[in-house]
Parts: sequence; C-alpha cells; structure tokens
Amino acid sequence: QKEVEQNSGPLSVPEGAIASLNCTYSDRVSQSFFWYRQYSGKSPELIMSIYSNGDKEDGRFTAQLNKASQYVSLLIRDSQPSDSATYLCAVYDSGAGSYQLTFGKGTKLSVIP
Amino acid sequence: SAVISQKPSRDICQRGTSLTIQCQVDSQVTMMFWYRQQPGQSLTLIATANQGSEATYESGFVIDKFPISRPNLTFSTLTVSNMSPEDSSIYLCSVDRGHDYGYTFGSGTRLTVV
Repeated sequence: QKEVEQNSGPLSVPEGAIASLNCTYSDRVSQSFFWYRQYSGKSPELIMSIYSNGDKEDGRFTAQLNKASQYVSLLIRDSQPSDSATYLCAVYDSGAGSYQLTFGKGTKLSVIP
Repeated sequence: SAVISQKPSRDICQRGTSLTIQCQVDSQVTMMFWYRQQPGQSLTLIATANQGSEATYESGFVIDKFPISRPNLTFSTLTVSNMSPEDSSIYLCSVDRGHDYGYTFGSGTRLTVV
C-alpha cells in the first residue's frame, strides 16, 4: 500500500521567515508529486507540482524532489499570514493503469504576524 | 484548469436518510473521483467513476452505502445512504488533469448527520 508521510504540525513561523514542509513516500515508482494548500472549510488547491529531481521555483514557493531518498519538500519564502493553511503532499502514479493520487495527512502551517 | 461545480455546499441530515451530491465539470473527462475528508483528517478516496461502467470502490467503501452514477462525461453523483453521525464529513469530487496538474477539486459538500 502506498504511503505518504507528513509531519502533522502545527508548524509555526514568524511573518517573513521561510517555512519548510516535508514529505516522504513509500512507492519508488511514483512519478509526480504535488503540494496542495487547503484553507479551513475549503477544498484543496494546487500550488506546486514537480516530477524531476531538483528544485522547481514559482514565486515564493520552491518544491524540492529527491527520488533516491523518496523525499519531497516545499519551501515558502517570506511567509505571510495568508499562507496559514494545511499543506497536503500528494503522490501520483499513472503506471499499470493506476491513476490514483495518494495524499498525506497534511501539515498545518501558522504564520505569526 | 477544469471548473467543477459541486452541490449542495452543505447540508444537515437526519440519521437513516440519504443525500445525493452532484458534480458538474465544464469539460469532458474520462474519470471522476470521489473523496471523503473526515474532521481533521486528510483525503480518502471513496471510488473512481468512469462513464459507462460501474464505479470502482476502494477498500472500506461499498456500493450499497455510496452508490455513484456517471451518466455522461461531464457529470457524476454520489449518494450517501442510510446515514449515521459517522458519515459527517466533507465530500469532494475531483478530476485528473494529468501528471503536470494533478487533480482539480470541487468546492466540497460539508455533511452533518444528526
């Protein structure tokens, strides 16, 4: 059974700091990785995707992937109070006819003004 | 990305009754997915709905409890049957946008069973 592990937090960072969110996954053949942000009472929204080893930057967000270590992370620079949310790591495997997206339990981030 | 309209957005239901949740996508999609998110928990896949075939249910979920319809490539419904307070959750539909974009979600249905 595929597993995606995240530290549930809460992770508290001061405004303007870097927030670092981590995720590990169990299935070596996983192909794509996603970070979703979910505000309380709302549905998840995609903020980053990555499928190649290394870093991918988009504005204040950087996703990092290390397939050898089965590790994916999300860095949020210059954290803002509006970044306070639960961040879900998700792993996508489209091999062998499987299209399932498996989610971690999420890390709750609080950015303190 | 796809726009998914989901309704109702919330409901309070009596135990023993059923609720049908609808999702409408603004483009044709092969598969639609139904998730449940219990309070404070992550998303759990209930079933995958293909047009023209029976839905595929994940372990722990059965068709009698969560019947799904998929009459065409833009629409699906999930029914939560014979509800109990343990069914109080957020239910989400989603579509797969591929390995670049992942899944897009509907706005969710917050169900409370009393």
